[in-house]
Amino acid sequence: DAKTTQPPSMDCAEGRAANLPCNHSTISGNEYVYWYRQIHSQGPQYIIHGLKNNETNEMASLIITEDRKSSTLILPHATLRDTAVYYCIALMTTDSWGKLQFGAGTQVVVTP
Amino acid sequence: GAVVSQHPSRVICKSGTSVKIECRSLDFQATTMFWYRQFPKQSLMLMATSNEGSKATYEQGVEKDKFLINHASLTLSTLTVTSAHPEDSSFYICSARDLGYGYTFGSGTRLTVV
Repeated sequence: DAKTTQPPSMDCAEGRAANLPCNHSTISGNEYVYWYRQIHSQGPQYIIHGLKNNETNEMASLIITEDRKSSTLILPHATLRDTAVYYCIALMTTDSWGKLQFGAGTQVVVTP
Repeated sequence: GAVVSQHPSRVICKSGTSVKIECRSLDFQATTMFWYRQFPKQSLMLMATSNEGSKATYEQGVEKDKFLINHASLTLSTLTVTSAHPEDSSFYICSARDLGYGYTFGSGTRLTVV
């Protein structure tokens, strides 16, 4: 699976949008981009995933560039409960699904 | 959505004893489950892949005789830390592959070896 690169940390004001970047320049055509987050001392929580098209669900939006070399996770209205480590993972999901390997992620701190 | 239950959430054991951690998929069948370990201020490290009805596949550097994995049914995988020592103290997390989002995680087990 392709390696991803994320900034180590970012701050966000409560109520504002949080835009989390992720670079995956070596991603292959059949690798999805997955986003998970981990709140302190809990198991990771699924946020969203996509292949080519932009995706939106009740938690976030995922914007993938046309060349698929980078993506941005958008939390539209950040709350204090969104403080967590966010992981961007490139994952091949075929008949033999890949293993989720976590990088360092981005520590997001939402402040009042 | 898919739910993975992990027990216990916390365990304290004496050095030299063994500890078993259970991971259950509650509303779906999981032919494949994964076990991770996480030390403070570090990311999750994949330890092994657990396949129902067959031997687990361990990542490089993980001692298979120390971390015994059993996946005897489609809804249950167990991780046994044998002859635990203080350096095994860590946060252990399981996940299961489901047909919806892909991977669902348990809430983790905090192991402290004293």
